[in-house]
Amino acid sequence: DQQVKQNSPSLSVQEGRISILNCDYTNSMFDYFLWYKKYPAEGPTFLISISSIKDKNEDGRFTVFLNKSAKHLSLHIVPSQPGDSAVYFCAADAYSGAGSYQLTFGKGTKLSVIP
Amino acid sequence: NAGVTQTPKFQVLKTGQSMTLQCAQDMNHNSMYWYRQDPGMGLRLIYYSASEGTTDKGEVPNGYNVSRLNKREFSLRLESAAPSQTSVYFCASSEAPGGTQYFGPGTRLTVL
Repeated sequence: DQQVKQNSPSLSVQEGRISILNCDYTNSMFDYFLWYKKYPAEGPTFLISISSIKDKNEDGRFTVFLNKSAKHLSLHIVPSQPGDSAVYFCAADAYSGAGSYQLTFGKGTKLSVIP
Repeated sequence: NAGVTQTPKFQVLKTGQSMTLQCAQDMNHNSMYWYRQDPGMGLRLIYYSASEGTTDKGEVPNGYNVSRLNKREFSLRLESAAPSQTSVYFCASSEAPGGTQYFGPGTRLTVL
């Protein structure tokens, strides 16, 4: 049972245009959401996050939107740059008891920004 | 500031061999984690340590053991490697449970 879903395995966007990466979740206990970026042969790098009490968080070219009623979040990159080409993972955090939290990851979306 | 470091970067084992993957962080974080990533899959949590002296199972703990050696170091042991454990292993740390996790560069393990 996949609790965090990224339904698009890949996305191609022209340089300078907007990239929109989508993520759906099923567990209503998730209260914190993160996006990670991963280049080949490297570890994931934290990009941006959003708490469940907010519906938008912006950091430079990156904006994350959260729609709790639809259990959907999206990452917008404007403008897209060739260096943004990477795999993007959506992750959701939930309390798992005894003072612990667990992150659940989606399978990732490979973004290719074409010069 | 090296962040999260992992050794080795690559390893090839034969079925039945044992090995320990090492992880260290220099950010004074309390919580540490081990994940595995398989092709076409997201990262899956193997074990985690919310604080020094505690460890707990994650989603896929079978075939693994962990040791939180001190606040800095968290090791993952495969006692008897199996081909199904061929994967890329990532260690991560966070300041506190539920905090943003920061990842190491990964260990690529192949079990023949």
